[in-house]
Amino acid sequence: TQLLEQSPQFLSIQEGENLTVYCNSSSVFSSLQWYRQEPGEGPVLLVTVVTGGEVKKLKRLTFQFGDARKDSSLHITAAQPGDTGLYLCAGATSGTYKYIFGTGTRLKVLA
Amino acid sequence: GAGVSQTPSNKVTEKGKYVELRCDPISGHTALYWYRQSLGQGPEFLIYFQGTGAADDSGLPNDRFFAVRPEGSVSTLKIQRTERGDSAVYLCASSLAPLEGNTQYFGPGTRLTVL
Repeated sequence: TQLLEQSPQFLSIQEGENLTVYCNSSSVFSSLQWYRQEPGEGPVLLVTVVTGGEVKKLKRLTFQFGDARKDSSLHITAAQPGDTGLYLCAGATSGTYKYIFGTGTRLKVLA
Repeated sequence: GAGVSQTPSNKVTEKGKYVELRCDPISGHTALYWYRQSLGQGPEFLIYFQGTGAADDSGLPNDRFFAVRPEGSVSTLKIQRTERGDSAVYLCASSLAPLEGNTQYFGPGTRLTVL
C-alpha cells in the first residue's frame, strides 16, 4: 500500500518566518502534486513535479522533487497570514490516473 | 460551468438510510474522481470515471458504495445502509483528460453526517 507521510503535521509560525514541509514515501512516483485546502473548500492545485531533482518556484513557494522521486518538499519564504491552510501532497505511479494523497500539514501563520 | 459543484453541501442522515451525493463537473472534462476526506486527513481515493465508465473503483470501501455517470457528465455517489463510519466530506474532482499530472479541479464537497 502506498503511503505518503507529511511532516510536520501541524505548524504555527509568525508572519515573516520561513518554513519547510516534507512529503515522504517508500514508493516511487512518476508525478507529485502539492495542493492547498482551506476550510469548507476543496483542495487547489499549486504545482506538479515530474522529474527527479526538479525544482519549481511559485512566488514565495519553492517545490522540490527528490532525485529518487520518493519524496518532495515545499518551502515557504516570509510566510504571510494568507498562506494559512492545509497543505497536501499527492503522488501518482506510472500507468495509473489516481493520486494518493498525503496525511496533510496544517499551517497557521500569525500576524 | 464556472467550476465543479456538489449538492447537497451538507447531508445529515440516520444510520441505515440510503443517500445520494451529486457532482456536476466542469463542462468538457472527461475525467471525474470521487474522494472521501475524514477530519484531519488527506482525501482518500474512491473511484475514477473516464467518460461514462468507471475506470478504477478500487477505492470503494465495500459494496454499500456505488457511483454512476450515465451520460459522461454528472455523477452520483450512492451509499446504501449508511453507517456512522461513513461520516466524512465527500469530494468530487474533474479534469480535462485522464493524463498523469493533469490538473484536477475540486468541488467544495458534501459533508455527510450519519447519526
